[in-house]
Amino acid sequence: QKEVEQNSGPLSVPEGAIASLNCTYSDRVSQSFFWYRQYSGKSPELIMSIYSNGDKEDGRFTAQLNKASQYVSLLIRDSQPSDSATYLCAVNIQTNKLIFGTGTLLAVQP
Amino acid sequence: DGGITQSPKYLFRKEGQNVTLSCEQNLNHDAMYWYRQDPGQGLRLIYYSQIVNDFQKGDIAEGYSVSREKKESFPLTVTSAQKNPTAFYLCASSADRNTGELFFGEGSRLTVL
Repeated sequence: QKEVEQNSGPLSVPEGAIASLNCTYSDRVSQSFFWYRQYSGKSPELIMSIYSNGDKEDGRFTAQLNKASQYVSLLIRDSQPSDSATYLCAVNIQTNKLIFGTGTLLAVQP
Repeated sequence: DGGITQSPKYLFRKEGQNVTLSCEQNLNHDAMYWYRQDPGQGLRLIYYSQIVNDFQKGDIAEGYSVSREKKESFPLTVTSAQKNPTAFYLCASSADRNTGELFFGEGSRLTVL
């Protein structure tokens, strides 16, 4: 089992819809979770961090964390073509070790 | 503007040559990292440094070397011992090593001919 798993996609959603991206992790003691957005050929950019169970909202983005079930998700409301990118989930599985998933490719269709 | 500068953006190397990738940050961050990204794979940690004159191996350090003589600079050398060096190399920094909130440079794409 991989330490951080994501569906590679592509996840295709129409413009204006909600995109739901999921990530599961194996280490139960993980304390901090991150979502990065990476446009094709570019470097990753941090868009959300979440540290406690529940939801965290920032504009059109909502991160959801469920430690009991060991998953973290990212919802993008009112998806725009400019949201088309690969979304990387990263988990701090223990102090000083950040593990990245392989990413989910999101395609927002105009 | 604060940020991380990587150079060169594109680099071609012949087999058997060492190459050095530059990474400079003006964010006053203590921690710096080098990651490698291959198609279909997540970012893999090569080396990291928490403080000047100290660095630690990551998961795939073989064939690479680094130095941290200044807080702002963390160059990566890809040596001829690295068997499959063609990849996208990303330098990142963070305020401290205990956070996963990383700031990335634009990356350096190395191709071995």
